[in-house]
Amino acid sequence: SQQGEEDPQALSIQEGENATMNCSYKTSINNLQWYRQNSGRGLVHLILIRSNEREKHSGRLRVTLDTSKKSSSLLITASRAADTASYFCATTKETSGSRLTFGEGTQLTVNP
Amino acid sequence: DTEVTQTPKHLVMGMTNKKSLKCEQHMGHRAMYWYKQKAKKPPELMFVYSYEKLSINESVPSRFSPECPNSSLLNLHLHALQPEDSALYLCASSQVKRTSGDVNEQFFGPGTRLTVL
Repeated sequence: SQQGEEDPQALSIQEGENATMNCSYKTSINNLQWYRQNSGRGLVHLILIRSNEREKHSGRLRVTLDTSKKSSSLLITASRAADTASYFCATTKETSGSRLTFGEGTQLTVNP
Repeated sequence: DTEVTQTPKHLVMGMTNKKSLKCEQHMGHRAMYWYKQKAKKPPELMFVYSYEKLSINESVPSRFSPECPNSSLLNLHLHALQPEDSALYLCASSQVKRTSGDVNEQFFGPGTRLTVL
């Protein structure tokens, strides 16, 4: 079963605005990763945050992790039309080896 | 080379056909994965190979048969599929997780869009 839930399910914004997506999970994790998927294509790894980290940045991406609330957020600043995609969080647990458990995903549409 | 390739891109098959999906990577990764993804849903793990040995089978029906002939190749053999098996099949690879501190960023191929008639 999927561990993560994401909200919103869909988000539509204008170019230049910021987009925030949230992910919640149920059990203790080792790390949390965010992936992007363009329509009907493979997933691309965006950023990873370990369970002992609280915030991480990569370019226009900012990820936060709150292990006490079992939640994470992905912020995309100054969005572009090319950011239009589905965004998934994925968690790994200490005992799950290489298994990634994906959240339900957020469909982001950035309008030019 | 940080690419995972998958062939074919699209596949249409009848319920009595036998076909195979292929995946290849040359990143030296010793963990390889098959996922199934339905429209507007997240990927669902099917199989994991670690050092060319099957390490995880997520209770997948036997009409799906994985094979890892060497460290660069992963196949998924399909036989007697059902229409509900129509989906995007994704292959991924990663480093093998050796310790709890290891990370396992996965590299995904573009997928094979499978339609079962």
